[in-house]
Amino acid sequence: DAKTTQPTSMDCAEGRAANLPCNHSTISGNEYVYWYRQIHSQGPQYIIHGLKNNETNEMASLIITEDRKSSTLILPHATLRDTAVYYCIVSNAGGTSYGKLTFGQGTILTVHP
Amino acid sequence: DAGVTQSPTHLIKTRGQQVTLRCSPKSGHDTVSWYQQALGQGPQFIFQYYEEEERQRGNFPDRFSGHQFPNYSSELNVNALLLGDSALYLCASSSLESGNTIYFGEGSWLTVV
Repeated sequence: DAKTTQPTSMDCAEGRAANLPCNHSTISGNEYVYWYRQIHSQGPQYIIHGLKNNETNEMASLIITEDRKSSTLILPHATLRDTAVYYCIVSNAGGTSYGKLTFGQGTILTVHP
Repeated sequence: DAGVTQSPTHLIKTRGQQVTLRCSPKSGHDTVSWYQQALGQGPQFIFQYYEEEERQRGNFPDRFSGHQFPNYSSELNVNALLLGDSALYLCASSSLESGNTIYFGEGSWLTVV
């Protein structure tokens, strides 16, 4: 699976949009971009994933660049409960690595009042 | 619809002992993966079970073994426990037929003393 690079930490004011970047310059054509978050002492929570088109769900939006070498997770109106570690993961969903996610260190997002 | 459930939530074992952790996948999922998360680190893939067989394995010693039952539930066994096995053990479930989303349980906290 391709390696991802994320900032170690980010801050965001409550009510503002949180934009979390991720670089995955070695991504291959059949690899998806997944985002998970983990609140202290809990299991990782699925947020969103995409292949090449931008995606939106009730939690967030995922913007993938046209060359697919980077992506941004957008939390449109951050709340204090969004404070967590956010992981960007590239995985060959449906391929030989199906179901295997390689986690990096993630981005610690802190939402301030 | 129950998500991924794990038991026990917390346990303490003595070095050299054996432990069994259990996981029930999300309804409709047939693939179970196990991860180990040491304090301050991202989750690390241990192995994956599908159709009652180990399909993929990460870089973990043979002391780590597993089993999947006909109802898709799974067990993780760790023999000859070491202090370094103290971690959060996460179970994740998925199904190719249900899409590419992988869901995690809340984990089992293992402390080896």
